[in-house]
Amino acid sequence: NAGVTQTPKFQVLKTGQSMTLQCAQDMNHNSMYWYRQDPGMGLRLIYYSASEGTTDKGEVPNGYNVSRLNKREFSLRLESAAPSQTSVYFCASRGLAGRQETQYFGPGTRLLVL
Amino acid sequence: LAKTTQPISMDSYEGQEVNITCSHNNIATNDYITWYQQFPSQGPRFIIQGYKTKVTNEVASLFIPADRKSSTLSLPRVSLSDTAVYYCLVAYTGGFKTIFGAGTRLFVKA
Repeated sequence: NAGVTQTPKFQVLKTGQSMTLQCAQDMNHNSMYWYRQDPGMGLRLIYYSASEGTTDKGEVPNGYNVSRLNKREFSLRLESAAPSQTSVYFCASRGLAGRQETQYFGPGTRLLVL
Repeated sequence: LAKTTQPISMDSYEGQEVNITCSHNNIATNDYITWYQQFPSQGPRFIIQGYKTKVTNEVASLFIPADRKSSTLSLPRVSLSDTAVYYCLVAYTGGFKTIFGAGTRLFVKA
Protein backbone atom coordinates (compact mmCIF):
# COMPACT_ATOMS: atom_id res chain seq x y z
CA ASN A 1 0.00 0.00 0.00
CA ALA A 2 1.98 3.00 -1.30
CA GLY A 3 -0.62 5.64 -0.39
CA VAL A 4 -0.28 8.71 -2.63
CA THR A 5 2.55 8.78 -5.14
CA GLN A 6 3.68 11.70 -7.28
CA THR A 7 5.97 11.93 -10.28
CA PRO A 8 8.33 13.50 -10.97
CA LYS A 9 9.96 14.46 -7.67
CA PHE A 10 11.76 17.42 -9.19
CA GLN A 11 11.52 19.25 -12.51
CA VAL A 12 13.14 22.27 -14.12
CA LEU A 13 11.27 24.00 -16.93
CA LYS A 14 11.90 26.99 -19.11
CA THR A 15 9.26 29.67 -19.41
CA GLY A 16 6.63 28.61 -21.92
CA GLN A 17 7.26 24.89 -21.68
CA SER A 18 4.48 22.52 -20.73
CA MET A 19 4.42 19.53 -18.44
CA THR A 20 2.09 17.20 -16.60
CA LEU A 21 2.43 16.27 -12.95
CA GLN A 22 1.17 12.80 -12.16
CA CYS A 23 -0.56 11.63 -9.01
CA ALA A 24 -1.93 8.22 -8.08
CA GLN A 25 -3.50 6.76 -4.95
CA ASP A 26 -4.15 3.15 -4.05
CA MET A 27 -6.54 3.71 -1.15
CA ASN A 28 -9.74 3.63 -3.23
CA HIS A 29 -10.57 7.21 -2.26
CA ASN A 30 -13.16 9.16 -4.21
CA SER A 31 -11.77 12.68 -3.69
CA MET A 32 -8.41 13.99 -4.84
CA TYR A 33 -6.71 17.38 -4.61
CA TRP A 34 -3.87 19.45 -6.03
CA TYR A 35 -2.17 22.12 -3.90
CA ARG A 36 0.79 24.40 -4.38
CA GLN A 37 3.05 25.62 -1.62
CA ASP A 38 5.38 28.55 -2.14
CA PRO A 39 8.44 28.93 0.12
CA GLY A 40 7.47 29.79 3.68
CA MET A 41 3.77 29.82 2.84
CA GLY A 42 0.75 27.65 3.47
CA LEU A 43 -0.93 25.37 0.96
CA ARG A 44 -3.23 26.81 -1.67
CA LEU A 45 -5.83 24.68 -3.41
CA ILE A 46 -5.50 24.60 -7.21
CA TYR A 47 -8.12 22.07 -8.27
CA TYR A 48 -9.99 19.22 -6.68
CA SER A 49 -12.00 16.24 -7.85
CA ALA A 50 -14.86 15.13 -5.64
CA SER A 51 -15.22 11.88 -7.56
CA GLU A 52 -14.17 10.19 -10.76
CA GLY A 53 -15.34 12.25 -13.72
CA THR A 54 -15.67 15.57 -11.87
CA THR A 55 -13.22 18.41 -11.30
CA ASP A 56 -13.63 21.85 -9.73
CA LYS A 57 -11.53 24.98 -9.32
CA GLY A 58 -9.89 25.83 -6.05
CA GLU A 59 -8.33 29.10 -4.90
CA VAL A 60 -5.66 29.47 -7.59
CA PRO A 61 -6.65 27.59 -10.78
CA ASN A 62 -5.33 30.03 -13.39
CA GLY A 63 -2.58 28.57 -15.54
CA TYR A 64 -3.45 24.97 -14.71
CA ASN A 65 -5.65 22.20 -16.03
CA VAL A 66 -6.47 18.86 -14.46
CA SER A 67 -7.66 15.44 -15.54
CA ARG A 68 -9.23 12.81 -13.35
CA LEU A 69 -8.19 9.91 -15.52
CA ASN A 70 -9.83 7.25 -13.33
CA LYS A 71 -10.46 6.73 -9.64
CA ARG A 72 -6.74 6.26 -8.92
CA GLU A 73 -5.16 9.03 -10.97
CA PHE A 74 -5.41 12.81 -10.97
CA SER A 75 -2.99 14.79 -13.13
CA LEU A 76 -2.11 18.47 -13.17
CA ARG A 77 -1.00 20.16 -16.38
CA LEU A 78 0.86 23.40 -16.91
CA GLU A 79 0.30 24.40 -20.54
CA SER A 80 2.76 27.29 -20.62
CA ALA A 81 4.90 27.47 -17.51
CA ALA A 82 5.72 30.82 -15.92
CA PRO A 83 8.30 31.69 -13.23
CA SER A 84 5.38 32.47 -10.89
CA GLN A 85 4.52 28.77 -10.98
CA THR A 86 7.78 27.85 -9.29
CA SER A 87 6.54 26.01 -6.24
CA VAL A 88 6.14 22.65 -4.54
CA TYR A 89 3.06 20.81 -5.72
CA PHE A 90 1.27 18.39 -3.44
CA CYS A 91 -1.39 15.91 -4.42
CA ALA A 92 -3.77 14.50 -1.81
CA SER A 93 -6.61 12.05 -1.60
CA ARG A 94 -9.35 12.11 0.98
CA GLY A 95 -10.69 9.19 2.93
CA LEU A 96 -11.38 7.72 6.33
CA ALA A 97 -8.78 7.31 9.06
CA GLY A 98 -10.79 5.27 11.51
CA ARG A 99 -14.03 7.22 11.74
CA GLN A 100 -12.45 10.53 10.81
CA GLU A 101 -12.16 11.86 7.30
CA THR A 102 -8.78 13.22 6.41
CA GLN A 103 -6.51 14.00 3.50
CA TYR A 104 -3.47 11.90 2.72
CA PHE A 105 -0.68 13.77 0.99
CA GLY A 106 1.96 12.68 -1.47
CA PRO A 107 5.65 13.58 -1.13
CA GLY A 108 5.41 16.56 -3.47
CA THR A 109 6.89 17.67 -6.79
CA ARG A 110 9.37 20.52 -6.72
CA LEU A 111 9.04 22.64 -9.85
CA LEU A 112 11.45 25.36 -10.89
CA VAL A 113 10.51 27.54 -13.85
CA LEU A 114 13.34 29.59 -15.27
CA LEU B 1 -15.74 28.08 3.95
CA ALA B 2 -14.67 29.22 7.40
CA LYS B 3 -11.59 31.44 7.52
CA THR B 4 -9.03 30.45 10.15
CA THR B 5 -6.51 32.59 12.02
CA GLN B 6 -3.48 31.16 13.84
CA PRO B 7 -0.32 32.65 15.34
CA ILE B 8 2.44 32.79 12.76
CA SER B 9 5.05 31.21 15.00
CA MET B 10 5.69 29.87 18.48
CA ASP B 11 8.80 28.81 20.38
CA SER B 12 8.98 26.19 23.10
CA TYR B 13 11.46 24.05 24.98
CA GLU B 14 11.67 20.31 25.10
CA GLY B 15 9.38 18.75 27.69
CA GLN B 16 6.93 21.63 27.78
CA GLU B 17 3.27 21.49 26.82
CA VAL B 18 2.43 23.58 23.77
CA ASN B 19 -1.00 25.00 23.02
CA ILE B 20 -1.77 26.43 19.58
CA THR B 21 -5.07 28.25 19.19
CA CYS B 22 -6.98 28.69 15.96
CA SER B 23 -9.81 31.19 15.52
CA HIS B 24 -12.69 30.34 13.18
CA ASN B 25 -15.45 32.82 13.94
CA ASN B 26 -17.68 31.90 11.01
CA ILE B 27 -17.64 28.15 11.54
CA ALA B 28 -20.82 26.49 10.27
CA THR B 29 -22.96 23.93 12.05
CA ASN B 30 -21.72 21.03 9.96
CA ASP B 31 -18.03 21.98 10.03
CA TYR B 32 -15.38 19.82 11.66
CA ILE B 33 -12.00 21.06 12.84
CA THR B 34 -8.92 19.20 11.69
CA TRP B 35 -5.26 19.79 12.50
CA TYR B 36 -2.35 18.78 10.29
CA GLN B 37 1.41 18.72 10.88
CA GLN B 38 3.96 19.41 8.18
CA PHE B 39 7.69 18.77 8.35
CA PRO B 40 10.07 20.46 5.89
CA SER B 41 10.05 18.88 2.44
CA GLN B 42 7.06 16.67 3.26
CA GLY B 43 3.33 16.81 2.73
CA PRO B 44 1.06 17.55 5.70
CA ARG B 45 -0.17 14.68 7.80
CA PHE B 46 -3.29 14.34 9.91
CA ILE B 47 -2.97 14.86 13.66
CA ILE B 48 -6.46 15.13 15.14
CA GLN B 49 -10.05 16.04 14.30
CA GLY B 50 -13.01 17.11 16.39
CA TYR B 51 -16.45 18.70 16.38
CA LYS B 52 -16.94 19.87 19.97
CA THR B 53 -15.60 19.55 23.53
CA LYS B 54 -12.41 17.55 23.81
CA VAL B 55 -10.76 14.92 21.67
CA THR B 56 -7.59 13.09 22.61
CA ASN B 57 -5.41 10.63 20.75
CA GLU B 58 -1.93 9.24 21.25
CA VAL B 59 -0.16 12.40 20.05
CA ALA B 60 -2.37 15.39 20.88
CA SER B 61 -5.54 16.79 22.40
CA LEU B 62 -8.01 19.13 20.78
CA PHE B 63 -10.12 21.47 22.90
CA ILE B 64 -13.20 23.09 21.35
CA PRO B 65 -15.35 25.47 23.45
CA ALA B 66 -19.12 25.41 23.31
CA ASP B 67 -19.39 28.26 20.79
CA ARG B 68 -16.87 26.48 18.50
CA LYS B 69 -15.42 29.80 17.34
CA SER B 70 -11.94 28.67 18.27
CA SER B 71 -10.02 25.49 18.94
CA THR B 72 -6.78 24.68 20.71
CA LEU B 73 -4.33 21.98 19.75
CA SER B 74 -2.39 20.76 22.77
CA LEU B 75 0.89 18.89 22.37
CA PRO B 76 2.08 17.36 25.65
CA ARG B 77 5.80 17.35 26.47
CA VAL B 78 7.12 18.37 23.07
CA SER B 79 10.44 17.14 21.73
CA LEU B 80 12.80 18.53 19.09
CA SER B 81 11.07 16.33 16.52
CA ASP B 82 7.82 18.26 17.02
CA THR B 83 9.38 21.26 15.27
CA ALA B 84 7.02 21.68 12.31
CA VAL B 85 4.23 23.78 10.86
CA TYR B 86 0.76 23.11 12.25
CA TYR B 87 -2.36 23.87 10.23
CA CYS B 88 -5.91 24.27 11.43
CA LEU B 89 -8.54 23.40 8.85
CA VAL B 90 -12.30 23.91 9.10
CA ALA B 91 -14.52 22.09 6.64
CA TYR B 92 -17.66 20.02 6.61
CA THR B 93 -17.41 16.37 5.76
CA GLY B 94 -20.11 16.63 3.12
CA GLY B 95 -18.12 19.21 1.18
CA PHE B 96 -14.92 18.84 -0.78
CA LYS B 97 -13.30 22.25 -1.13
CA THR B 98 -10.72 22.78 1.61
CA ILE B 99 -8.75 25.90 2.43
CA PHE B 100 -5.54 25.73 4.47
CA GLY B 101 -4.44 28.84 6.35
CA ALA B 102 -0.86 30.00 6.75
CA GLY B 103 -0.22 27.66 9.67
CA THR B 104 1.80 28.08 12.87
CA ARG B 105 5.53 27.41 12.83
CA LEU B 106 6.47 25.70 16.08
CA PHE B 107 10.16 25.68 16.96
CA VAL B 108 11.17 23.43 19.84
CA LYS B 109 14.50 24.22 21.46
CA ALA B 110 16.71 21.98 23.58
